[in-house]
Amino acid sequence: ETGVTQSPTHLIKTRGQQVTLRCSSQSGHNTVSWYQQALGQGPQFIFQYYREEENGRGNFPPRFSGLQFPNYSSELNVNALELDDSALYLCASGPEGLAGTDEQFFGPGTRLTVL
Amino acid sequence: AQSVTQLDSHVSVSEGTPVLLRCNYSSSYSPSLFWYVQHPNKGLQLLLKYTSAATLVKGINGFEAEFKKSETSFHLTKPSAHMSDAAEYFCARNTGKLIFGQGTTLQVKP
Repeated sequence: ETGVTQSPTHLIKTRGQQVTLRCSSQSGHNTVSWYQQALGQGPQFIFQYYREEENGRGNFPPRFSGLQFPNYSSELNVNALELDDSALYLCASGPEGLAGTDEQFFGPGTRLTVL
Repeated sequence: AQSVTQLDSHVSVSEGTPVLLRCNYSSSYSPSLFWYVQHPNKGLQLLLKYTSAATLVKGINGFEAEFKKSETSFHLTKPSAHMSDAAEYFCARNTGKLIFGQGTTLQVKP
């Protein structure tokens, strides 16, 4: 059973650019969630995808968008990057119809730095 | 708003002494509560979870937590700290999406 993987591990961009982060779910999982973790903070929920549809969104602007593919891998896209977007971006996968009692399994994250 | 509050941003203990990391939650009903650990440059690993079953929950690496509805608390404990326990700890409530506390940095001194 393979775990959650994310790519790239580190990324440096400049303000105004666009970035795409990628995540492969743990085998058998069809729910993917993305979280933003600023330095010294707890992770903040960005959005969740279930069977290729957005299934909940946190308090993030529309320039944060995502996709989930038929193989349940996922992308997080951020347009018009701002300095405050610098953070660790975490992907988590979970089982069918993720409920409040289900564990979500986290990847190692992508460290994004915006200059 | 449904939230969790971690009462200490930093806890320092000596190796071999007990660990207590505090977490309170706000809710009008019994939530699902999780504790995660994050080692430097790593993702989050689940330590334990409370899901309305036994109020005393045992997790990995000797950690346990007790759900106290009257105190709206879910504090994490370990009888004897090990150097490898030094990490960031997050309390979270789970509604299908995770709502995290601000985190507690655990320092373990030799």
